[in-house]
Amino acid sequence: DIQMTQSPSSLSASVGDRITITCQASHDINDYLNWYQQKPGQAPKLLIYDASNLETGVSSRFSGSASGTNFVFTISSLQPEDIATYYCQQYDSLPFTFGQGTKLEIK
Amino acid sequence: QVLLVQSGAEVKKPGASVRVSCKSSGYSFTSYYVHWVRQAPGQGLEWMGIINPNGGGTNSAQKFQGRVSLTTDTSTNTAYLELSSLTSEDTAVYYCARSPPGRSYFGYWGQGTLVIVSS
Repeated sequence: DIQMTQSPSSLSASVGDRITITCQASHDINDYLNWYQQKPGQAPKLLIYDASNLETGVSSRFSGSASGTNFVFTISSLQPEDIATYYCQQYDSLPFTFGQGTKLEIK
Repeated sequence: QVLLVQSGAEVKKPGASVRVSCKSSGYSFTSYYVHWVRQAPGQGLEWMGIINPNGGGTNSAQKFQGRVSLTTDTSTNTAYLELSSLTSEDTAVYYCARSPPGRSYFGYWGQGTLVIVSS
């Protein structure tokens, strides 16, 4: 199975901060990497697909990038409504696997 | 609009089976794959399996093989997850999610179904 190592596991930041979350794949996943946001009691929401494509209707302050097996998710200016847990997910190989999640909190 | 509506919460005893349904509307049911993802309390997301409603082909994570069954009913646009030989470790919220064929990103999700396994 492909392991997705996501960091940090938690992050505290201030409104307006630029924040980054990383995911490293154990093997090449050909940029088949998605990012989700999950708020408590809700289903995950797709933000970024195929490493860098913004899902329709998602704020442009969210972005993603890739370099080899390393993937970066960025929020350009943190807003209070961004408080959530974020997950990466690869779909290059079965079984599809998720990172462990990053819990984002406001300082 | 696209909707995936799941069945209600279940409480099961160890060793029992559970069936969760996911009724789709607002799109062509056979044109998209359905995935199942679960989340244990306070834990992360775990992909369980995929079904192609157009033909019924399935694939599931090896840890569930032998006790998971994924099916669809195209007459009602409903996907089903059945999990047998339940243990307390199967206590989780189970989600269905839709993806385009060959592109497994999940743009639409069901609301989740809580399954509690307890004696």
